Amino acid sequence: AQTVTQSQPEMSVQEAETVTLSCTYDTSENNYYLFWYKQPPSRQMILVIRQEAYKQQNATENRFSVNFQKAAKSFSLKISDSQLGDTAMYFCAFALYNNNDMRFGAGTRLTVKP
Amino acid sequence: ETGVTQSPTHLIKTRGQQVTLRCSSQSGHNTVSWYQQALGQGPQFIFQYYREEENGRGNFPPRFSGLQFPNYSSELNVNALELDDSALYLCASSSPQGPEETQYFGPGTRLLVL
Repeated sequence: AQTVTQSQPEMSVQEAETVTLSCTYDTSENNYYLFWYKQPPSRQMILVIRQEAYKQQNATENRFSVNFQKAAKSFSLKISDSQLGDTAMYFCAFALYNNNDMRFGAGTRLTVKP
Repeated sequence: ETGVTQSPTHLIKTRGQQVTLRCSSQSGHNTVSWYQQALGQGPQFIFQYYREEENGRGNFPPRFSGLQFPNYSSELNVNALELDDSALYLCASSSPQGPEETQYFGPGTRLLVL
């Protein structure tokens, strides 16, 4: 069974600084999808970034980038130039097929301080 | 905000009752997934519907059932409610046209079982 582990329940960062959120997963499959989702307080969950396992290049989306280490089964999220609006719960997720049977970690609560 | 809506926003039921939650997908999306998010945890996949047929199911008992209608709106039904069913229920819609398709979440229905 596929499992996702986020070992940092809470993190904080000063505005404009960089923070890295950790995620590890367990699977015996070779191809799969990895995601980071953001869930702001009382707001809808939104996709931050997605990585397909067969792509060796790390995904980037503006200030968000990932460090995908397939052999280590690690998928960390780096947020550069943190903004107050980045304050949210961040969930790492795994899926064998895009958007189906998605497995989420327990989440990391990130607070960006002014 | 995404184009996915859910109703009701909050609901209180007693143990043993039945509940129906509703989800309206984003325009053009023919796939909907349902998740249960207990307090302080990540979402857990309940099932997915694609073109009115179940297309995957997580580790939930048969008293959790669903429907998808021709307009791709969806219902989640839970029979014989238990206290542990108290959670935020999320639906998410997508269109499986390729690996780049994004899943969009609704705001959720918060269910409390007394």
